[in-house]
Order: sequence, then C-alpha cells, then structure tokens
Amino acid sequence: DAGVIQSPRHEVTEMGQEVTLRCKPISGHNSLFWYRQTMMRGLELLIYFNNNVPIDDSGMPEDRFSAKMPNASFSTLKIQPSEPRDSAVYFCASKYGPIVAKNIQYFGAGTRLSVL
Amino acid sequence: DAKTTQPPSMDCAEGRAANLPCNHSTISGNEYVYWYRQIHSQGPQYIIHGLKNNETNEMASLIITEDRKSSTLILPHATLRDTAVYYCIVRVVTSGTYKYIFGTGTRLKVLA
Repeated sequence: DAGVIQSPRHEVTEMGQEVTLRCKPISGHNSLFWYRQTMMRGLELLIYFNNNVPIDDSGMPEDRFSAKMPNASFSTLKIQPSEPRDSAVYFCASKYGPIVAKNIQYFGAGTRLSVL
Repeated sequence: DAKTTQPPSMDCAEGRAANLPCNHSTISGNEYVYWYRQIHSQGPQYIIHGLKNNETNEMASLIITEDRKSSTLILPHATLRDTAVYYCIVRVVTSGTYKYIFGTGTRLKVLA
C-alpha cells in the first residue's frame, strides 16, 4: 500500500487566499484525522472522521477552517481566508477499526503551509 | 492536556540501548500506551503499543510497570537513524470521544 497520501507537499500563499489541503487515506481504513503541527503548540488534533462522518471537530481553531470527507478515499481541509498564523505543517492520518479499538494511526508526510 | 510526562531530551551512544521513560500515572485500566516517533519533518511513525504485559517487535521493546503508571521504550541497539522525537501517548476521552493528545515528547539524539 502507498500509505496515506497528502497533497500538496508544500503550499505558499498570500494572506486572504483560500487554501485546500488534500488527503487520501490508506485503502480500507475507516477513520481519518487531521493534525496541525507548529513549534509553539506541537502536534494538535483538528478533526477526525469515522466512516466519513465528522466525530469531533473541537480542535478546529476557527470558522475559517473546514473539513470534508465526501467518500472513504478522500478528505479535504480548507482554510478561507488564510492568515499568516495558519502557517504550519498539516498532517493527515488514518486507521482501521472502530473508535474504541486499538488506535494505531498511520500518518502522511504532511503539507507544509506558508501564508505570507 | 496530554496525560503523559516525558523528559524533553536524551542522548545515547550509537550501538547502545536507548531507554526512554514515560509517566502516565492517571491511565485508566483499559487504556493502551502507544509510542510514536517523528524523524525531522516527517509524519509521526507508529512504534509499539501495550496494555499490561511487556511487548516487543522488530523496532523496539516496551516495558510497562505492574501498576501501569509508567513505561519505558527500549531501542536495543540505537543507530544514527533513530535520532527523532519520541512520543508516549495515552488516549484521552473528552465529550465522549477518544483522541490522542501528543505531548512535547523526548528528543533523542544518537551520537556517533
């Protein structure tokens, strides 16, 4: 399996622009997670889906952030409008099994976002 | 907030065993302990997990104390490629949902 695939790997944009990050989970996995990593705050969970349904979005920082999972093989994280403080590495992870099962998550390589 | 406490950094000589401690004194009886590592700029990588018994796989060993309040990840023969940040994680239940809370981890530097 190719693992969790994220695109783009790097994104540079200007403040106020819309940014869309993409994630393809491992085939057969039914849970998907979006994380954000910064030097100041470390690795934070933003939102996670189970069977394409958002279960917990309490980590989404503001209404400018939204995430969708239209099907089992694709998810997007959108920031609109983007701000310089959104600059971070965004990771997507997926796992197989119900929420309460053994919780081995597999992470993608991340998208490094720079908002100028 | 993370439910685990780890030393911020450790050094280990190449070829020697690296022992990374973790305190999880508030862990509940049915919660697993998970270990991940993050090599510079890459996504976190799963290493091992355990509940009560000691565990071993091709990457590492996990020793969990009998009271389950702490554990130690052991890399038996550390190499330069093991230089990374190591995270010890226990799931947190908030508002009825489970999630990982990553703490600050231990930055392990393997020295030649």
